[in-house]
Amino acid sequence: DAKTTQPPSMDCAEGRAANLPCNHSTISGNEYVYWYRQIHSQGPQYIIHGLKNNETNEMASLIITEDRKSSTLILPHATLRDTAVYYCIVRVGPNTPLVFGKGTRLSVIA
Amino acid sequence: GAVVSQHPSWVICKSGTSVKIECRSLDFQATTMFWYRQFPKQSLMLMATSNEGSKATYEQGVEKDKFLINHASLTLSTLTVTSAHPEDSSFYICSARRGHSEAFFGQGTRLTVV
Repeated sequence: DAKTTQPPSMDCAEGRAANLPCNHSTISGNEYVYWYRQIHSQGPQYIIHGLKNNETNEMASLIITEDRKSSTLILPHATLRDTAVYYCIVRVGPNTPLVFGKGTRLSVIA
Repeated sequence: GAVVSQHPSWVICKSGTSVKIECRSLDFQATTMFWYRQFPKQSLMLMATSNEGSKATYEQGVEKDKFLINHASLTLSTLTVTSAHPEDSSFYICSARRGHSEAFFGQGTRLTVV
């Protein structure tokens, strides 16, 4: 079973920041937070991951709370092509399989 | 990022026949490959994990005699759906990993059994 809780859907205006929350209150000390997204009828795409520090890459920023029980994925300037289902996954590391929950369906609106 | 390619992208087959789906890592050697299945409006479900040269490890509830997985080389894994039935119609997705690096996903194969 997935160990994360995400809202089923969110809307975001094009050009604005999209903030996607994720609760992982039972996360263990050695588990990372990973984010993937799946555009309709495509395979998932890796976005970002982190352990306890905030992370940023060319796609997004990941903010993890100090107690690590929740996190937020931030897409700074959402575009229509960011419309997808976003999955928040906790796992020990790349050697463990990805267990996908239901994710958040983000709709970016023009 | 690394490129993982699946073939075919979509396939329609008759009930009772077998279908083979290929997953190739195009620019790296994949020591581990994963196969997932996704039904409409549902999330991805892991079916099996395969390491090159070894037998695949299947998740609980996945019939290994029905879903044959072969990972004979470091760049190719195949999933064969044997004696396909309409309930096997689904979106099948593979992912490939090199060593301890992150896994990359193929574009998926949509199987329709009629």
